[in-house]
Amino acid sequence: GQNIDQPTEMTATEGAIVQINCTYQTSGFNGLFWYQQHAGEAPTFLSYNVLDGLEEKGRFSSFLSRSKGYSYLLLKELQMKDSASYLCAVMDSNYQLIWGAGTKLIIKP
Amino acid sequence: DVKVTQSSRYLVKRTGEKVFLECVQDMDHENMFWYRQDPGLGLRLIYFSYDVKMKEKGDIPEGYSVSREKKERFSLILESASTNQTSMYLCASSSQDRESSPLHFGNGTRLTVT
Repeated sequence: GQNIDQPTEMTATEGAIVQINCTYQTSGFNGLFWYQQHAGEAPTFLSYNVLDGLEEKGRFSSFLSRSKGYSYLLLKELQMKDSASYLCAVMDSNYQLIWGAGTKLIIKP
Repeated sequence: DVKVTQSSRYLVKRTGEKVFLECVQDMDHENMFWYRQDPGLGLRLIYFSYDVKMKEKGDIPEGYSVSREKKERFSLILESASTNQTSMYLCASSSQDRESSPLHFGNGTRLTVT
């Protein structure tokens, strides 16, 4: 079966760095997405990786290793507004998105 | 900026009622999707559509149907609501490039079936 694993919850301190991991087992691979979802709101797109390596976008970076079935989202200089759930999704060989259950990130002052 | 609008943020319906959830997008996107989101589970795809009048079943289509009469509008229908359909429903759209085009989500409809 197809599976995406992410930690359920993580806690970090304002100003620090946090890494949210995502491992996947899917039938084929056509890219990996990260979304941010604040409580009660819609998910919003953060990043897309299809080739191995690191993609940097301001305070957020996303890494992909296709051979290991592994990605991480790195958040630097954490701010209170980064408290949210972070969703990992993989596009399989049929161009269908397989979603992880999300990681709830709690930022403490 | 893409806007996906869902007609209701909160709905309370009784068991057996027919329920319509409406979704409209304003960016001329070809692809539209309906998901449900439940605690502890990833987003689950109910139905999707890549063109007007076209619909495809997702992973959990039972108890649901959809309608796409116009490109900008994708409606989800619960033929006879049941308590296990209490959930957050999210509509999304994306452009034709299926590989790299991100989904743009509406704000969701929280449906409670009593």
